[in-house]
Amino acid sequence: DAGITQSPRHKVTETGTPVTLRCHQTENHRYMYWYRQDPGHGLRLIHYSYGVKDTDKGEVSDGYSVSRSKTEDFLLTLESATSSQTSVYFCAIAQSYEQYFGPGTRLTVT
Amino acid sequence: AQKVTQAQTEISVVEKEDVTLDCVYETRDTTYYLFWYKQPPSGELVFLIRRNSFDEQNEISGRYSWNFQKSTSSFNFTITASQVVDSAVYFCALSADTGRRALTFGSGTRLQVQP
Repeated sequence: DAGITQSPRHKVTETGTPVTLRCHQTENHRYMYWYRQDPGHGLRLIHYSYGVKDTDKGEVSDGYSVSRSKTEDFLLTLESATSSQTSVYFCAIAQSYEQYFGPGTRLTVT
Repeated sequence: AQKVTQAQTEISVVEKEDVTLDCVYETRDTTYYLFWYKQPPSGELVFLIRRNSFDEQNEISGRYSWNFQKSTSSFNFTITASQVVDSAVYFCALSADTGRRALTFGSGTRLQVQP
């Protein structure tokens, strides 16, 4: 158990509203990641962080922003949610070169 | 660019059958890591194994075994004597960017084990 929690676990929101997902870890890992999972695509990297205030884009970063003001928290924000952002979002930490995942957040944008 | 291909979208077997899940990868890096994850119906992602590119030794863990062949860029996963609890989606993944340490995933193989 890598001590990763995600909140909320489920969310339904309307198109155009801002949404923030939170990832919290308890073991002081430096690297944290946000992925989205969609049918037929596996998981794809949205953003990642390599330290407090150090973040960078992944392959599917359009429409998303992140922040990391504390080691333990990594926030993913959808500035203006769209239906194409309906997905399951997973947070992960890297322990050496292995990644361990949080339980996921199912987001539905109507 | 890196790519992971899991050509088998769905596999259905009867309990106690052996089943092999295929994974083919592409990378230009000489140092990389390969992974398998299991996603049961409950939805969480469970780490199964990591393999380093410089270690081609096959690995066995109980009913699970992994065959890594650099010559064919493959990292296949075999479940021996499958059980209903093995029913899940299995993902193969690659990490070749030692800076980001991010994973590139295949699209997954859904395994259904029938009693």
